[in-house]
Amino acid sequence: ETGVTQTPRHLVMGMTNKKSLKCEQHLGHNAMYWYKQSAKKPLELMFVYSLEERVENNSVPSRFSPECPNSSHLFLHLHTLQPEDSALYLCASSSRLGGFGTQYFGPGTRLLVL
Amino acid sequence: AQTVTQSQPEMSVQEAETVTLSCTYDTSESDYYLFWYKQPPSRQMILVIRQEAYKQQNATENRFSVNFQKAAKSFSLKISDSQLGDAAMYFCAYRRLMYSGGGADGLTFGKGTHLIIQP
Repeated sequence: ETGVTQTPRHLVMGMTNKKSLKCEQHLGHNAMYWYKQSAKKPLELMFVYSLEERVENNSVPSRFSPECPNSSHLFLHLHTLQPEDSALYLCASSSRLGGFGTQYFGPGTRLLVL
Repeated sequence: AQTVTQSQPEMSVQEAETVTLSCTYDTSESDYYLFWYKQPPSRQMILVIRQEAYKQQNATENRFSVNFQKAAKSFSLKISDSQLGDAAMYFCAYRRLMYSGGGADGLTFGKGTHLIIQP
């Protein structure tokens, strides 16, 4: 499945580092999402972008900074993270037109904060 | 706020048998969508099946079918003729209705059910 790609697939960073996660979708969609999946917790919605405009920010700490330069690309910039931020970060995309708007997911980036 | 509950952390079934995964949700909306996603060890989330709340007919996709009980706010997944490749985490998810031309909205997920297939 290459509809939604994410890089890197694995990332280890110290608490003082700055890194970025990248997501790219090849499905012609115009809405993109970041989710966080921690152990033993439900997937948590972090950010929603529709036509490159952020439409939802789900009370996410400012150390996470999203960027959506166009409808095909989504970034998550990370700085001064905490160990509890270690998780699988999933990107998804969908069509913003009415109807199901089914979200298609990338393979995720597994992040470890030391 | 909407909530999704999956009360079975883990389920086990013999290969070729049938298994049902439970999901209940809470919402004040009358129109919405419900989804089942599968997450195998690769961690790739894969759509299994989806249901529109305003449709009374239960959705079916090959060996996968749902039992949607709107009044009870229940959305269970039945897997028939279980196969080894069905082993995965299964997540139930809710999304409110997007009106035509409307924006985007995130999914609310349950905690998941780990499905084990016994050969």
